[in-house]
Amino acid sequence: EVQLVESGGGLIQPGGSLRLSCAASGFTVSSNYMNWVRQAPGKGLEWVLLVYGDHITNFADSVQGRFTISRDNSRNTLYLQMNSLRAEDTAVYFCASGERWLSNWGQGTLVTVSS
Amino acid sequence: DIQMTQSPSSLSASVGDRVTITCRASQSISTYLNWYQQKPGKAPKLLICAASSLQSGVPSRFSGSGSGTDFTLTISSLQPEDFATYFCQQGYSTPYTFGQGTKLEIK
Repeated sequence: EVQLVESGGGLIQPGGSLRLSCAASGFTVSSNYMNWVRQAPGKGLEWVLLVYGDHITNFADSVQGRFTISRDNSRNTLYLQMNSLRAEDTAVYFCASGERWLSNWGQGTLVTVSS
Repeated sequence: DIQMTQSPSSLSASVGDRVTITCRASQSISTYLNWYQQKPGKAPKLLICAASSLQSGVPSRFSGSGSGTDFTLTISSLQPEDFATYFCQQGYSTPYTFGQGTKLEIK
């Protein structure tokens, strides 16, 4: 059974950094398309990025240059490094697998950017 | 970026009703259109991919259709567990974009 578990969210001041984790089981992160999607409180879904292996990463304009992605194959875990955080980055962040459709989702982790 | 417009934004219906939600893309996306169901405090769940392909385990009362720019999600006979928010999403090109959501409420 495929399972994704996000962690690392919390309260952070504007301009700060945070690293989210997405731990996978039941499949191999490094050989699958992975996404991050976020949802601001009471709002809709916003796609953040798509990554596949070491070669393909696409970012939303809203996070380009501030967010980066990395992976620990030994832990089968994807990391989202978020820098220069802004109030508008406040959201629940989900990781999800899939290339053109998002088949499996984690439960999400809440990031709150506030002073 | 491809804009996705869903309608209606909210809908009141009764158990047993047939409901249709529409999604329109700002340009042709072939059949790269997906539908998700989200309940409060939960992650979205993929219902339909590629416009009309029902995911395993999803009840057959859900169906999807369309191609190009216009798509529909139909629930043939609403059940109590179907009251939720529904989102469409284009997977044609990044940045992937979602519709604003349709909140389906009990009448």
